[in-house]
Amino acid sequence: EDQVTQSPEALRLQEGESSSLNCSYTVSGLRGLFWYRQDPGKGPEFLFTLYSAGEEKEKERLKATLTKKESFLHITAPKPEDSATYLCAVWGGGADGLTFGKGTHLIIQP
Amino acid sequence: GAVVSQHPSWVICKSGTSVKIECRSLDFQATTMFWYRQFPKQSLMLMATSNEGSKATYEQGVEKDKFLINHASLTLSTLTVTSAHPEDSSFYICSARDRGQRAYGYTFGSGTRLTVV
Repeated sequence: EDQVTQSPEALRLQEGESSSLNCSYTVSGLRGLFWYRQDPGKGPEFLFTLYSAGEEKEKERLKATLTKKESFLHITAPKPEDSATYLCAVWGGGADGLTFGKGTHLIIQP
Repeated sequence: GAVVSQHPSWVICKSGTSVKIECRSLDFQATTMFWYRQFPKQSLMLMATSNEGSKATYEQGVEKDKFLINHASLTLSTLTVTSAHPEDSSFYICSARDRGQRAYGYTFGSGTRLTVV
């Protein structure tokens, strides 16, 4: 059974304080690992897809990396508008849909 | 980019009634659509997968007679919660996969907050 564990559950940072969010996964035959941002009462907003170990992708203050067991979402010099829940999901095994982690609730204080 | 429109954004219904939620892909054809449910502070849980013109495939523990899914066209899927009860109150989110994307991108709708009273 596919499993996705995200840590920490919640993270409070000062504006400009860089950090990383972790996503550990167990899946047979990873076909893709996804990062989404979710604001309260909204659907997930796509950030990145990673396909193989060693792959990295960047978008503004965010950078996602992937190993065979985990992925990291690095946030550099965050701003208050980066506050949201960040979700990690995997596509793999025999499943067609995504398996999500519970997310990391990120708060950036001015 | 790919856009998925989901309606309504919120609905309140009486216990025992049925509610229909629509999910439309606006600028692409979605061969496959997915329905998720999210309880407060929990992850999104896949309920069912539907392919255009085929019967939906339900995840274990999801009652197919209670959650009726129709995917009659490449741009529209509907989820009907039949005989809703308070325990069905949740945040329902649809997702569509663009068959034109190599990356098998999954685009999500904005979600529907269902409250059963």
